[in-house]
Amino acid sequence: EVQLVESGGVVVQPGGSLRLSCAASGFTFDDYAMHWVRQAPGKGLEWVSLISWDGGSTYYADSVKGRFTISRDNSKNSLYLQMNSLRAEDTALYYCAKGSGSPPRAYFDYWGQGTLVTVSS
Amino acid sequence: SYVLTQPPSVSVAPGKTARITCGGNNIGSKSVHWYQQKPGQAPVLVIYYDSDRPSGIPERFSGSNSGNTATLTISRVEAGDEADYYCQVWDSSSDHPAVVFGGGTKLTVL
Repeated sequence: EVQLVESGGVVVQPGGSLRLSCAASGFTFDDYAMHWVRQAPGKGLEWVSLISWDGGSTYYADSVKGRFTISRDNSKNSLYLQMNSLRAEDTALYYCAKGSGSPPRAYFDYWGQGTLVTVSS
Repeated sequence: SYVLTQPPSVSVAPGKTARITCGGNNIGSKSVHWYQQKPGQAPVLVIYYDSDRPSGIPERFSGSNSGNTATLTISRVEAGDEADYYCQVWDSSSDHPAVVFGGGTKLTVL
């Protein structure tokens, strides 16, 4: 059974930093691209970032580019999101999602339950 | 950047057919995927590659994609289908590729 478990979400002040983690199990982690997707309270889904199976390629939404860094440790079956210079508009539930298919046909076949990041003073 | 447009809400009576649209410029040339999200839960993939169903998704869920509109169709709607639905594509039209979601459609079962 595929499981994705996010952690690291807390309340942080504007301008602060945070590192999210996602522990993966139930599939061969280093065979798949992984994503972060977020959802602000009461709003829709917003893609944040993608990392290829080997970490060699990364992509970011314009809204986080230059502030967030995605990474992975295949030896630990773990995905990470380093978030710097946080803003109030980064407040959201952050989901880890397993990628499937290859661009331009990529989609998400499994999602974690999310970890809540609140940016507030 | 590429924009996907969904109606904010769709209402349907139990047992009827619901159609949720996703509009985008020449979306028929892209692969469209659909997710269902119930309150307080993570999204669940219900359709991928325009019309394929993951295992465990009822045959009542189907998809199509042509021209400027993709459509998620739910036949014989049940109360348990009440949820938000999101369409998604991969946009490689700009200098850096990105995943794009539609704004979401709230399906209400009357």
